[in-house]
Amino acid sequence: QKEVEQNSGPLSVPEGAIASLNCTYSDRGSQSFFWYRQYSGKSPELIMSIYSNGDKEDGRFTAQLNKASQYVSLLIRDSQPSDSATYLCAVNEENTGGFKTIFGAGTRLFVKA
Amino acid sequence: DTAVSQTPKYLVTQMGNDKSIKCEQNLGHDTMYWYKQDSKKFLKIMFSYNNKELIINETVPNRFSPKSPDKAHLNLHINSLELGDSAVYFCASSQGRRTGLRGSPLHFGNGTRLTVT
Repeated sequence: QKEVEQNSGPLSVPEGAIASLNCTYSDRGSQSFFWYRQYSGKSPELIMSIYSNGDKEDGRFTAQLNKASQYVSLLIRDSQPSDSATYLCAVNEENTGGFKTIFGAGTRLFVKA
Repeated sequence: DTAVSQTPKYLVTQMGNDKSIKCEQNLGHDTMYWYKQDSKKFLKIMFSYNNKELIINETVPNRFSPKSPDKAHLNLHINSLELGDSAVYFCASSQGRRTGLRGSPLHFGNGTRLTVT
């Protein structure tokens, strides 16, 4: 199985700062990339999806994709204490029956008030 | 209205027992999944069904048997439970198993925390 790697953290940033989360993947054929947020004791929820090289912005969140470097990142601007959670990078891997989503181990983010 | 719902939320049982987890989605998606999240929070795919057809079957002990009576339901039955089965099991669904070169994101249920004693 191909891999998705993330720094497990924890990453600690002060309120109002930019949080930068990084992810690398091993399957060069992957075309779909996602960031999920998971609060403690809750299920993962989708924050961003990105399919093309470059940046994609949605509110305070910006996803960046570089397929040549096999690198995906998530920037959170104006970080809030409510952003404290585990962020999961996910990559779709093609499979004979369809595709499956492979997750990284997650990066724990703490935003200090 | 809950989009992906799974029951029970908590399951505490003894080694050797057999248990089932049920999942239903009302999103109209045609693909459903079971994921296992271990104590280190690593989320790993177990099975995937598309319109009642098993399309992904990872290296999972055959004590785990998924069943999909229709595309809105995917259940997981576990025989002879072991201590190592303790984890949170998430059901998820997505629209389409293959959408061109793009993949649809997953919608997760709230999880079932299984504790085997």
